[in-house]
Formats: sequence, C-alpha cells, structure tokens
Amino acid sequence: GDSVTQMEGPVTLSEEACLTINCTYTATGYPSLFWYVQYPGEGLQLLLKATKADDKGSNKGFEATYRKETTSFHLEKGSVQVSDSAVYFCALSDRNNAGNMLTFGGGTRLMVKP
Amino acid sequence: GAVVSQHPSRVICKSGTSVKIECRSLDFQATTMFWYRQFPKQSLMLMATSNEGSKATYEQGVEKDKFLINHASLTLSTLTVTSAHPEDSSFYICSARGRPSGGAAEQYFGPGTRLTVT
Repeated sequence: GDSVTQMEGPVTLSEEACLTINCTYTATGYPSLFWYVQYPGEGLQLLLKATKADDKGSNKGFEATYRKETTSFHLEKGSVQVSDSAVYFCALSDRNNAGNMLTFGGGTRLMVKP
Repeated sequence: GAVVSQHPSRVICKSGTSVKIECRSLDFQATTMFWYRQFPKQSLMLMATSNEGSKATYEQGVEKDKFLINHASLTLSTLTVTSAHPEDSSFYICSARGRPSGGAAEQYFGPGTRLTVT
C-alpha cells in the first residue's frame, strides 16, 4: 500500500537558519504530493503541493520538488522564522485511489528559537 | 478561499455520555468528507470516509457503532462518539473534499475538535 516516511523530530533551529525536512514515499500509482502545516491547537493547512514529477511547489518561502527518481518530496526553506514553529506533515494522494484519500507521514515538529 | 468549520472546538464530557461533532463546508459543496483522529504528538489517523446520502466507510479497527457518522447534506457531516470513555479523548479533525474554485478537487481541513472525557 501507499506510505509516507518523514524524518522524526523535533527539529530545533535558530532564526534565519536553513531548513530541510526529508520526505520519501511509496505508491502504486502516480500520486500528488503535499506538505501540510499544523500550528499548535489548530487543524491542518495546506502549505504546498506538486502533482507530477519535477513539479516544484512553493509558498511562504517554503519549497519542495517532486522527485520521481528518488521518490522524495523534501521540504526546504532558506531562512526560518520563529513563526514557522509548527508540525509539518508530508502526504500523498494516489489518483488511482477512489476518493483520493490522503496518506500522511508521521509529522515533524519544527521549533525555531529567536 | 475554501473554509471548513468544526463545532465545538473543545468539549469536555463525562464518561458514558455521547458527543456530537459537526463539520461544515462553508462556501463549497463537499460530496466527500473525511474524519481523522490525532493523538498527542502523532500523525492523523483516518477513521472513516463519508459520502453525502450514503453510509460511511470505516477504516479497519474503527468501531462503527461507537463512532456514528452522518453526512446529511453536501455541506454537513457529523461524528457522534457514543458512550464515550476516557480513551476516546483525542483531537478529531474533519476534512471536506470539493472544488471551491472550480479547479481540481482537494481536501480542506477543519480546525479540529478537542474531546476530553472525564
């Protein structure tokens, strides 16, 4: 079945440091890939997405490139801020899956210190 | 933008009582809604998928009689936790799948409901 694996946290960085959160996936079909962010006490917000190989999703300074050859979708940001502190979830949606259910990774907690 | 609301945001109930959680898509129609459960510091676990006007499809290990799901309209789905026990305490999140901007269908998440059973 489909699965998503992401690096375990917590990841602790100083403000303005570079961020990379690794995410790899396995899927039987041709999935769309997503990064969601969850701020404390809130639901999930879509951060960015990519729907086909070599697509780059970007939003709020975050980027992730759909790499089919390495089955990866790593999240990057060049300079993090304290307000980026949250839990980040990598997810996939397999188009061959009726209903387009999302499969989530385990989540990575990011803590940015001033 | 697409907005999904949940009510209540927090609820505390006594063991043995039932609790109903509402999930609404405010500005689009959702033929499919999903219910997730999230334990502290863990990922989301899909509980069930509900389609408007039909019975929900539950994931393996989720008790149908304990977690009653009703998807009565294209904008409303409810999750009722029956005879709640302390182990049901969790963060419940819904999502609604639709095309608010006319593009490809996507899932939009509600803000979550924190249930505490005492």
